This record gives sequence, structure tokens and C-alpha cells, in this order.
Amino acid sequence: GAVVSQHPSRVICKSGTSVKIECRSLDFQATTMFWYRQFPKQSLMLMATSNEGSKATYEQGVEKDKFLINHASLTLSTLTVTSAHPEDSSFYICSASDFSTDTQYFGPGTRLTVL
Amino acid sequence: AQTVTQSQPEMSVQEAETVTLSCTYDTSESNYYLFWYKQPPSRQMILVIRQEAYKQQNATENRFSVNFQKAAKSFSLKISDSQLGDTAMYFCAFSLAETSGSRLTFGEGTQLTVNP
Repeated sequence: GAVVSQHPSRVICKSGTSVKIECRSLDFQATTMFWYRQFPKQSLMLMATSNEGSKATYEQGVEKDKFLINHASLTLSTLTVTSAHPEDSSFYICSASDFSTDTQYFGPGTRLTVL
Repeated sequence: AQTVTQSQPEMSVQEAETVTLSCTYDTSESNYYLFWYKQPPSRQMILVIRQEAYKQQNATENRFSVNFQKAAKSFSLKISDSQLGDTAMYFCAFSLAETSGSRLTFGEGTQLTVNP
């Protein structure tokens, strides 16, 4: 299947700082990428849909000023957690849509810990 | 809005045996996709199998097959000859079929444990 990378895999930061997470589709172009948050032993919660060249669409209850999403190219989307707080600690997963197969492929996830 | 329900939070099976994971969904649309994703302890989401709603034939991928009952809105996953590496959380998911940019709606997940 198609490959999606995510960087970093783990990050620890101090409260009040910002953290950027990158999501890349390595062998296909993705006009649409998605960002999810997952708590332990729970399902994936969609945070936002990232469209190349346009503004992201956020799910209800997700603060767009706190979770900044940029999709500047067909292979890269970034999620920036601004002014992070301990409650933002979670596992963040991205996915990218491959039009040729009509399937979403997932990155390996990023474990964010805010101290 | 679409919903996906997995009513089995946990299941276990002996190695080499067969297990079936259940999934039901609700939608008013007629054209859509259904998926099973696997999330092992590494937490990497892996696509297991995919079914187009317009296809009557059930999808199969090696030891994995589905029983797709469109009228009943049911989409179960059968794993044959279970292996230790099949131990994982399994998520059933739904998306509309217009474009691959359609969002996925996930079920709550079923934790499958394969015992030696």
C-alpha cells in the first residue's frame, strides 16, 4: 500500500510552547489529508480536513487558532499545536487520500507530551 | 450523518482458529465504501480490506474476508487461520464514495487477542 510518513514520532515540550507535526505522502499526491487525535483505548477522532491550497475544515469543538493546519503542497501537511498545555497531550495521526485507489493511508502517529 | 457501531469491545481466539468481528452502520446514502483497519501495538493504522457498496461480491484478502449485507447494513470481518501477529485493535470505517477526500467515520474498535 501507499506510504505516509509523520515526523516527529515523539515530542515532549513545555507548557506554553508550540509544536509542529509534519505529515508526508511519500509515493502519491494527496490533495486531501486528515488529522486525527486518539486517546488510549479509544477510536480516532477527526480534528480537521486539510485541503491543498485552501483553508482547513475543522470539526465542531476543535479550536482552529490552537491547532493550525497548513497544506502547502500535494505531499505535505503540517499541524501546529500552539501554546500547548498538558491537556493537549495525546496521540496525533494523519492520513492522506490516494485518489487512484479511493483509500486513506495513515501515518505512524506522533505522541505529544506537554509538561 | 453516518454512524458505525462495533458491539464487541474485546474478543479472543486461539491461534489457527477463525474469528468474526461484527460491524453495523447506518446511512441514507447508496454509494459508499466500507473498510476494516488494523491498529497493532505500534499504533500504525493498517488497511486490512475494503468493500465498495455497489459490489455484491464480498471482498477477500488472503486470510481476511468480509460478509457484506447491504440491506442489513452489516459488514463483518472474518479472519481465518488466526496468527499471533493478528493481535490488534480492529476498526470498521465508512466513507462516502464521491471522492477519496471523503472523511472516514470509525467505529469504537474491537480489541482482538490471538492466544498461542
